[in-house]
Amino acid sequence: EVQLVESGGGLVQPGGSLRLSCAASGFIFSSYSMKWVRQAPGKGLEWVSYISSSGSAIYYADSVKGRFTLSRDNAKSSLYLQMNSLRVEDTAVYYCARDGDGDYVAYWGQGTLVTVSS
Amino acid sequence: QVVLTQSPSASASLGASVKLTCTLSSGHSTNTIAWHQHQPEKGPRYLMKLKSDGSHSKGDGIPDRFSGSSSGAERYLTISSLQSEDEADYYCQTWGTGFSVFGGGTKLTVL
Repeated sequence: EVQLVESGGGLVQPGGSLRLSCAASGFIFSSYSMKWVRQAPGKGLEWVSYISSSGSAIYYADSVKGRFTLSRDNAKSSLYLQMNSLRVEDTAVYYCARDGDGDYVAYWGQGTLVTVSS
Repeated sequence: QVVLTQSPSASASLGASVKLTCTLSSGHSTNTIAWHQHQPEKGPRYLMKLKSDGSHSKGDGIPDRFSGSSSGAERYLTISSLQSEDEADYYCQTWGTGFSVFGGGTKLTVL
């Protein structure tokens, strides 16, 4: 069974940093591209970042480019999102997601809440 | 960049059928999309991948009540024999090199 478990969310002040982690199990992690998707309160789903299976290709939404850094450790079946210079508008539930046989989300985690507030 | 348009809300009665629509922006009518269900207080759930020719492949354990179809730039999700647990937000997603896009979502109410 595919499982994606996020951790690292919490309350942080504007301008602060946070590192999200996603522990994956139930599949060969190194074979799949991964994503982070977020949902702000009362809003819809928003793609945040993508990383290829090898980690050689990484892309970001314009809203987080230059502030967030996505990485993966295939040996540990883990995905990481380093979030710096956080803004109030980054407040959201962040979902770790595994792609299918294309760049669409085939599996979702339960999410971790990030709150940016003073 | 491609834009996906969904109606904000839909409603149908228990046991009835409902058809949700996702419209691809001009120039992107052949895009494949994915449908996702997001129930309250849960993580989203992948339903199916849907191609422009209407062929679709569903996720693990998705009931036969959920089906997909296509017409031009429109992609449809039909849910038959509606159950109370189908009350949720439904999102379509498409993608390209270096990006992914979600529609605004449709909130389905089961009456």
